[in-house]
Amino acid sequence: DSGVTQTPKHLITATGQRVTLRCSPRSGDLSVYWYQQSLDQGLQFLIQYYNGEERAKGNILERFSAQQFPDLHSELNLSSLELGDSALYFCASSVEGGGVREQYFGPGTRLTVT
Amino acid sequence: AQSVTQLGSHVSVSEGALVLLRCNYSSSVPPYLFWYVQYPNQGLQLLLKYTTGATLVKGINGFEAEFKKSETSFHLTKPSAHMSDAAEYFCAVSAWDDKIIFGKGTRLHILP
Repeated sequence: DSGVTQTPKHLITATGQRVTLRCSPRSGDLSVYWYQQSLDQGLQFLIQYYNGEERAKGNILERFSAQQFPDLHSELNLSSLELGDSALYFCASSVEGGGVREQYFGPGTRLTVT
Repeated sequence: AQSVTQLGSHVSVSEGALVLLRCNYSSSVPPYLFWYVQYPNQGLQLLLKYTTGATLVKGINGFEAEFKKSETSFHLTKPSAHMSDAAEYFCAVSAWDDKIIFGKGTRLHILP
């Protein structure tokens, strides 16, 4: 158990819909990362937040957005969903403040768009 | 900028045989290197990491990796494969105070 929690575990929705994925980082970790993992694209970094502020952006679509709240949990919002958005979405957290940032991953949310 | 290349998207070894998963990195600054493992339907779990010091790093489940600066490599090995080692393995590189870059992963198959 990494200490990172994600909800829900599974999500099935229809094209065009909007969903919200939730992540709680390990206690004491200020940074949250979101990744998308699919068979064809592999593990893709989406976005990073540090203590409520956006820190880095990766291959995140404009239809996707994220935020980190004062209690440090984070939400990833996916809108106007397409079939190709079906994937595993992982959240990871790490301690910030410099140094070597090994990341601790949550169990993931499997999103299926039908 | 950092990058990492994992050689072989699939590797098959017999149970009891040596496991060798290859990783080469590119970094303009001293790298920090990681191996993560992902079991089916689970998140990634840190196997081992190299930061500084001893170049041979031991991790969990009997795995180890050796940092070879001259070869820009960080290959993962295990002397004797077990069926439970079947998983996907990700090599990753980072620099001081920078994000982690993951490789595309190598799926390890263990043959009985």
